[in-house]
Amino acid sequence: GAVVSQHPSWVICKSGTSVKIECRSLDFQATTMFWYRQFPKQSLMLMATSNEGSKATYEQGVEKDKFLINHASLTLSTLTVTSAHPEDSSFYICSAPGTENYEQYFGPGTRLTVT
Amino acid sequence: AQSVTQLGSHVSVSEGALVLLRCNYSSSVPPYLFWYVQYPNQGLQLLLKYTSAATLVKGINGFEAEFKKSETSFHLTKPSAHMSDAAEYFCAVRASGNTPLVFGKGTRLSVIA
Repeated sequence: GAVVSQHPSWVICKSGTSVKIECRSLDFQATTMFWYRQFPKQSLMLMATSNEGSKATYEQGVEKDKFLINHASLTLSTLTVTSAHPEDSSFYICSAPGTENYEQYFGPGTRLTVT
Repeated sequence: AQSVTQLGSHVSVSEGALVLLRCNYSSSVPPYLFWYVQYPNQGLQLLLKYTSAATLVKGINGFEAEFKKSETSFHLTKPSAHMSDAAEYFCAVRASGNTPLVFGKGTRLSVIA
């Protein structure tokens, strides 16, 4: 099946710094990727839809200037958390749609801890 | 718009007992429905999916789910719980096209020895 990777798998950063998370589709092309955030003991919430060659679409309440998304190629989308604060600590998961049965392929997630 | 409601944030069963995790959906179009499992500090693993073929869907690890349009339900079952089934389970729905999955709030399954 299709594989989506994320890097890094976990990161600790200091408050005020920026962190970049990469999401790659390893064996297929993805013109669209989705970014989710999951707080402890909660469900996944869609943050934004990343579109290759155009601007990302953000969900209501998500600060686009804080969570910068760049879909650089058909296999890579990046999420940059700018000026991170402790409340940004979360599990970030990306996914890409498959071509069959309307499935999505999920990355393993990135755990961000801001100190 | 699509949405799912998972009834019960926490379900506890004895080892060997029936597992039943409930999910009801709301969709303006014929939905695609999914169940995922998440173990602590890990990503999501697809258990099974409904894509308008058979209404009874069999998945991995002995799980299955039945799509019931009249009840707008897609409940997840397993005849005999195993300790390794203890995890968080998410029901999700997706409309046709290039749209994201919408997740339920999740149900934490505990298995008691």
